[in-house]
Amino acid sequence: GNSVTQMEGPVTLSEEAFLTINCTYTATGYPSLFWYVQYPGEGLQLLLKATKADDKGSNKGFEATYRKETTSFHLEKGSVQVSDSAVYFCALRGGTSYGKLTFGQGTILTVHP
Amino acid sequence: DGGITQSPKYLFRKEGQNVTLSCEQNLNHDAMYWYRQDPGQGLRLIYYSQIVNDFQKGDIAEGYSVSREKKESFPLTVTSAQKNPTAFYLCASNLGTNTGNTIYFGEGSWLTVV
Repeated sequence: GNSVTQMEGPVTLSEEAFLTINCTYTATGYPSLFWYVQYPGEGLQLLLKATKADDKGSNKGFEATYRKETTSFHLEKGSVQVSDSAVYFCALRGGTSYGKLTFGQGTILTVHP
Repeated sequence: DGGITQSPKYLFRKEGQNVTLSCEQNLNHDAMYWYRQDPGQGLRLIYYSQIVNDFQKGDIAEGYSVSREKKESFPLTVTSAQKNPTAFYLCASNLGTNTGNTIYFGEGSWLTVV
């Protein structure tokens, strides 16, 4: 079946630091890949997505590239802000779980001034 | 505004009671989903529905029931058979099962058993 593995957190950074959150996946076929963000007490918001190999998703300074050869979709941001503090989820859709999202465990990010 | 509305935001349930969480969407989406989130964990799929009057069990359906009588509504009932119902529940929807389509989420409902 499908699975997603994220780097364990929590991650604590100072403002303007570089962020990387690793995400690797297992799936058959050609899944679509997503990053969602969850702010405290709220639902999930789509941050970015990529639907085929070598696609780069980007939004609000965050980027992730769909790497089929390494089955990875790492999230990066060059300079984080305090307002980026949240939980980040990597997810995939497709493969053996047609139509459904499979999530990683989530990574808590805290950014200090 | 278009979106997914979940209610109530907070709900307390006594042991042995059934409770129903509401989920309504005005996005004209065909597919709807219910996920459960426990602290420090990812989301697990409870039930999903790809079309009106049809739904399938997800990974953790035991102790839950759903209905899909209208396209815009997908209520979730947490029954007394659910052994550990205290959690954050998220409803989601999307246009169809094309894997590139984005799945959108509601704001969630907190259920606490007292």
